[in-house]
Parts: sequence; C-alpha cells; structure tokens
Amino acid sequence: DVKVTQSSRYLVKRTGEKVFLECVQDMDHENMFWYRQDPGLGLRLIYFSYDVKMKEKGDIPEGYSVSREKKERFSLILESASTNQTSMYLCASSRAPGAQYFGPGTRLLVL
Amino acid sequence: AQSVAQPEDQVNVAEGNPLTVKCTYSVSGNPYLFWYVQYPNRGLQFLLKYITGDNLVKGSYGFEAEFNKSQTSFHLKKPSALVSDSALYFCAVRDGYAGGTSYGKLTFGQGTILTVHP
Repeated sequence: DVKVTQSSRYLVKRTGEKVFLECVQDMDHENMFWYRQDPGLGLRLIYFSYDVKMKEKGDIPEGYSVSREKKERFSLILESASTNQTSMYLCASSRAPGAQYFGPGTRLLVL
Repeated sequence: AQSVAQPEDQVNVAEGNPLTVKCTYSVSGNPYLFWYVQYPNRGLQFLLKYITGDNLVKGSYGFEAEFNKSQTSFHLKKPSALVSDSALYFCAVRDGYAGGTSYGKLTFGQGTILTVHP
C-alpha cells in the first residue's frame, strides 16, 4: 500500500513564526502536492513538484514556499505565519497519470 | 482550463437504499476522473478512477461510477448504502491531453456530504 505521512497531525503556532510542514511518501512517486482544505472552498493546490528540486506554483502560492531535496520528501514552508493560514493542510503523491494518494493531514492553528 | 462541479452540497439517504453523488466536469481533452472519500479529521482516500475503457468503473467499498461522455458526468453510485458510508466525497478531474505539462495536477470539486440514516 502507498503510504504518505505528514510530520504533525495538529500544530499551533503564533503569528509571524516560520512553520515547516513535512511530507514523506514511500512509493517512489515523481509527483508531490500540497493542498489546503477550508470549509466551503474544497481543496486548493498550493504548490506541486514533479521531480527533485523542481516545483511549480499552484492556485494559491502566496505566503508559502516549498522544498524538495529528496524524491520522497516534500516540505511546505510558511515564512511568516498569519491567522488566515489557519487551515487543514494535505500532502499527496502520484505517479502521473494515476491517482493521487493523500496523507492524514495537518490541522494548523495560527494564533 | 479544467473544472469540476458537484451540484449537491449534501445528500441524505436511508440505509439499504441506493445512493448517487453527482459530478460533472469540463476538460479540453479526454478526461481522467477520480472519486475520493474523506472521513472526519482524515486525509482523502482514493475510491476509484476512470481513464479509459468500460464506462462503468468499480472501486473500493462497493462503490461504482458511470462515465457519460455526452453528459460530461461521472456520478458515484452504490446499490445499498451503509451508515458507515457517511462522509465527505470529492470528485476530481485532469485533462488527459495535458500530458507531461500537467504533472498529474487534479482539479477537485467542492465536495458533497453524504449522510446515511439508519
């Protein structure tokens, strides 16, 4: 089975802090994705990566950056957390054109 | 651009009855279509996909979906609903002709909350 793990299930941070969310997949997938999920808005793509050190902006990249130094690991960085970044963050991986497989999610609260 | 619509925010059905969760899509090429389920405070779980072949696709937990090209729809169905099917369901699409430039990017619908009553 594909396994996608995320470093934290719940996280509480203060405004202005730098936040790292980590995602690891064990299926040697080329593609990895970061989404945020908010009530009434569905899933919105923040960034994705199709290879090591390669990244592309998704639909809502502002306020975020990413890093992919190894194929299995994709990190999402909030350079200076703000309250409007309080959300559920979901990581996924895939081997195109197949299905994306999701991690359990990280619920982030920014105070 | 590709898009997905799930016209119903909520679907309610009695246990044992058939259920349908609707999805329509728009892509410029041939669609790759997916259904996911999300239980509370969990990530999304893959249910089934259509890429090519038979229009009726069978997936996990007894779910199936019917691809209808003329109506650009991909409705999720189950012949007999269970209370444990209650969850949030997402339809997703990608354009098959986008090829390597899309890197497997999916566009998700807004989600439909399915509630199965005992």
